[in-house]
Amino acid sequence: ETGVTQSPTHLIKTRGQQVTLRCSSQSGHNTVSWYQQALGQGPQFIFQYYREEENGRGNFPPRFSGLQFPNYSSELNVNALELDDSALYLCASTSERTDTQYFGPGTRLTVL
Amino acid sequence: SQKIEQNSEALNIQEGKTATLTCNYTNYSPAYLQWYRQDPGRGPVFLLLIRENEKEKRKERLKVTFDTTLKQSLFHITASQPADSATYLCALVLYSSASKIIFGSGTRLSIRP
Repeated sequence: ETGVTQSPTHLIKTRGQQVTLRCSSQSGHNTVSWYQQALGQGPQFIFQYYREEENGRGNFPPRFSGLQFPNYSSELNVNALELDDSALYLCASTSERTDTQYFGPGTRLTVL
Repeated sequence: SQKIEQNSEALNIQEGKTATLTCNYTNYSPAYLQWYRQDPGRGPVFLLLIRENEKEKRKERLKVTFDTTLKQSLFHITASQPADSATYLCALVLYSSASKIIFGSGTRLSIRP
């Protein structure tokens, strides 16, 4: 196990709703990244946080937002859900010592 | 345009043979490249990292090469086993944005007994 946990495991929402996904990183890992993975595709980088500040962002609209907390937990918020937001959402914490990312098991989001 | 491509959607290999997976990229300047394994319904698991000034890295039955002239990385699994069946992802970490990691779409590897 990687020591990274995510909740919930599965989630079903309807178009237009808002969702919050949660991640608990490994203790001591100050960097957390969030990814969206559509079926049959590789993970797509959404954004990264370092010590509670956004540290980089991929090509995702502003309705995707995040927060990182001092206790190594973080959130991904998605507003105005669209059908194409249906995907596996992964968080990963990074060991600064080894540059290794440790992924959580993901949250499967279905938008109807 | 910038692209990262993995050799094929699926690869079927006889147990005991060497599986070779390819990762090609264009118009990127990676600081280093990583390989991950992903099982269905699970998050990716880090396997190996190779930096741009390294030609080869080994870990047990795994070997990765990195050719920045060809813009290609090869990932080898020797003495393959059915338990090696999974999707393998390559990922680039860029000099221009160390926070951003670009993943390929993966190669699904099946090892038949």
